[in-house]
Formats: sequence, C-alpha cells, structure tokens
Amino acid sequence: GENVEQHPSTLSVQEGDSAVIKCTYSDSASNYFPWYKQELGKGPQLIIDIRSNVGEKKDQRIAVTLNKTAKHFSLHITETQPEDSAVYFCAASPPRGSTLGRLYFGRGTQLTVWP
Amino acid sequence: GAGVSQSPRYKVAKRGQDVALRCDPISGHVSLFWYQQALGQGPEFLTYFQNEAQLDKSGLPSDRFFAERPEGSVSTLKIQRTQQEDSAVYLCASSFFSSAANVLTFGAGSRLTVL
Repeated sequence: GENVEQHPSTLSVQEGDSAVIKCTYSDSASNYFPWYKQELGKGPQLIIDIRSNVGEKKDQRIAVTLNKTAKHFSLHITETQPEDSAVYFCAASPPRGSTLGRLYFGRGTQLTVWP
Repeated sequence: GAGVSQSPRYKVAKRGQDVALRCDPISGHVSLFWYQQALGQGPEFLTYFQNEAQLDKSGLPSDRFFAERPEGSVSTLKIQRTQQEDSAVYLCASSFFSSAANVLTFGAGSRLTVL
C-alpha cells in the first residue's frame, strides 16, 4: 500500500516567519493530497488539498506544491501566527480497489509559533 | 447535522470489557471511514462503508473489532474484550461522494483508555 513520510516531526518558528512541511509518497498512482490541521482534543480539519493535475495551489497564507516526478509535496505557511500552532498531517489517496478515498497519513508535524 | 458527531468523547474501560463507539456522519454522506489514531501518530485506516455496505475492513487489527452501518447513516464501532493496546482516539470521517479524490470531514473522535 501507499507509504507517506513527513518531515520535520517538530517545527518552531517566530511569529511572522514562514513554515514549510514536506512529505513524500510511494505510490505513483496517488492523485489526491490533502493537508489537515489538528488542534488538541479535536479531529483533523482540512486546510488545503491538491490534485495531481496541478502543481501548486494557494489559499491566502497557505500554499501547497506537488512534484509528481519526485513524489513529494509540501505545505507552506507564510506570516505565521500563534493560532497556527497545531499538528499538521499530510495524506495521500491512491485510486485503487474498492476503498476510493482512503487516506494514508504521515506521522504529523507539531508546529509551534512563538509570539 | 452540521458536522460529524461522535460519542462518547471519552471512554475508560477495564481490560476485557466491550465498548461501542458511535458515529453520526453528515446527513446524505455516502462514504464513512473509521480511523485509529495512537498518541503522537497519524490516523490509521480501520474500515470503510459505502452507504450500508462495508466494502473494506482490511485495517481492523483483530477479530475483536467490528463495525456496522445498518441503515447507511449512523455507524458503530465495537471492540470486544478490550486490551491496553486498543487505547487510542477513534476517528470517524464521512464524505458525500465515493470517489478517489473526495473531501473527508472528520469528527472530534472518541478517546478510549483501557486500564
């Protein structure tokens, strides 16, 4: 099955700086790559996603890039704020078998933004 | 409802007890997933329903785990004879479509602690 690796596991930045989280995946057929933010005691919340037919997507301070050849994708957060502090998960979804939409998650990145 | 609702939010069980966790997905959502999230890890797939049909249960760790969605809406995850290694957050997610690139909405999870 799909294997998703995520780095770094922890990331500390000063408020206003940028943060970058990187993920790699193993299944070249994967075609959907969401990013989730999980705050303490809450479920993962989708913040941005990208499909394999595009290389980059941006939503205000958040952007995601996808390199299909290298099988890696990254989350970029600019002008970080303390409320961005949370655990971020990347995921990949291969279109195989009967479980369409099954997500394979990375191990998460704990982002801390210091005021 | 407006989101995916899970109950109970917290459950403490003695080793050997049976537990039942409930998921109320967003109304009209076809797909329903259960994931298990161990402390400090990303969510791991357990099982998948398309309406009332359980199409994939390959992620269930043992035959002590059982899930159902008899009317294609509410789902229950049952764990028999709980063990300490079952301690985790159990997340339910649903989506409107059944496709390879559908957006999953997660509930807040049920935190199970087995003593």
